[in-house]
Parts: sequence; structure tokens; C-alpha cells
Amino acid sequence: QVQLVESGGGLVKPGGSLRLSCAASGFTFSEYYMSWIRQAPGKGLEWISYISSTGSYRSYADSVKGRFTISRDNAKNSVYLQMNSLGAEDTAVYYCATSDYGGNAGGFDYWGQGTLVTVSS
Amino acid sequence: SYVLTQPPSVSVAPGQTATIACGGNNIESKSVHWYQKKPGQAPVLVVYDDSDRPSGIPERFSGSNSGNTATLTISRVEAGDEADYYCHVWDTYSDLPVVFGGGTKLTVL
Repeated sequence: QVQLVESGGGLVKPGGSLRLSCAASGFTFSEYYMSWIRQAPGKGLEWISYISSTGSYRSYADSVKGRFTISRDNAKNSVYLQMNSLGAEDTAVYYCATSDYGGNAGGFDYWGQGTLVTVSS
Repeated sequence: SYVLTQPPSVSVAPGQTATIACGGNNIESKSVHWYQKKPGQAPVLVVYDDSDRPSGIPERFSGSNSGNTATLTISRVEAGDEADYYCHVWDTYSDLPVVFGGGTKLTVL
């Protein structure tokens, strides 16, 4: 069955960097767009980035543009989120997710369990 | 960018019907997806493409979309349905291609 497993979260100081990973299994990873979505404490869901199946197209929310970079390695069935210049507002649980549609459409059928990023001095 | 508006909270007694609205400009022209989010758990897709249910989701969950409002309806509400619910659309060619509503807290009285 489809499984998404995030890792790489933790405590980081303001201004610091972190790289999240999401390992996928149970589907043909190279055919699917992948997204990162976060939820800050007490807040709603916020989409932050997606990457096309080949990696040729990437999109970012304004809140992270210029600071975060999404990438993927289809040989390793993994998607990554490099986060730089982190601030307190980036404290959240980060989820990777994908849709059965494969592309940039449809509901997010599959989600990882989430990884917590805490930005604090 | 496209905006989705949800009421912050909805309360309903067990066994009754809960309706959660999701407002957006001409939302009927978009496909709306709904998620259930419980504390400490990943979101779960409960309705996709306005009114379809993923396998394993009870028939008590249904959706509709007309005009400027999409609606998630939960019939015969159970205590286990208490959660936050989020609507979602794709606005593919905009600067914000994935849009979530602010979420609605469903309280089962």
C-alpha cells in the first residue's frame, strides 16, 4: 500500500536551516507530483510547495518563496524540502502528500505522518 | 489569489446532520476536496471532486457544490466525527495553486 514517511524535523535556531525528507513506497513515485503542506500550532493547513513528476516544475507559496527549495530523487523514491532562513513562523508539522491523479489536480489521497519543525532560540 | 472561507465552528448533537460550508468565488467551476483532521493525526481525504468518497469513507459523508458555496454534509453524526474539516481546491494557474479553507471545528455535543 502507499506509504509516505517524513523525516528530518527537529529544533533549529532562528536563521538556521533544515532539510526534510519524504520516502515514498507502494506506488510509481516517478509519475506523481509531490507536495509539502504544513500546519502551525493552532492554525490551519497551509500548502507550501509542489514539484512535478520529473522535477522540471516547482511552485511555492509566497510565505516560503526564496527560502525553501523542493527537490526529488526518483531513483530513491524521495522528495526533499530544503528550508533556509527559518523563523518562528515556520514552526509547524510538515507533511508530504500526493494525489491519486498524479498531477496537479485532485484531492490529496495520501499523506505522511508529519515531521515537527520547531524554530526557537 | 483564490480564497476559501469556512465558518470557524459547527456544533451538532449525535445522530443529527452537520453541514460545513466552504465559500469561494464561482466555486462551482472548481473541484472541491474535503479533509478531516484530528489532533496528532495526518489529514484524511473524506470527499473529493465535490461529491465522491474515497474507499473506506462512510456513506454518511457527502458533498455538493453549487454557485459560490460547496458543502460537506455528515449524516448521523457520531462522537468520532469530532475534528477539524478543511476544504481544498486547485487554482492551477495562479500564484497560489493549492488553496485550503481556514478550517471548521466540528463539535459533537
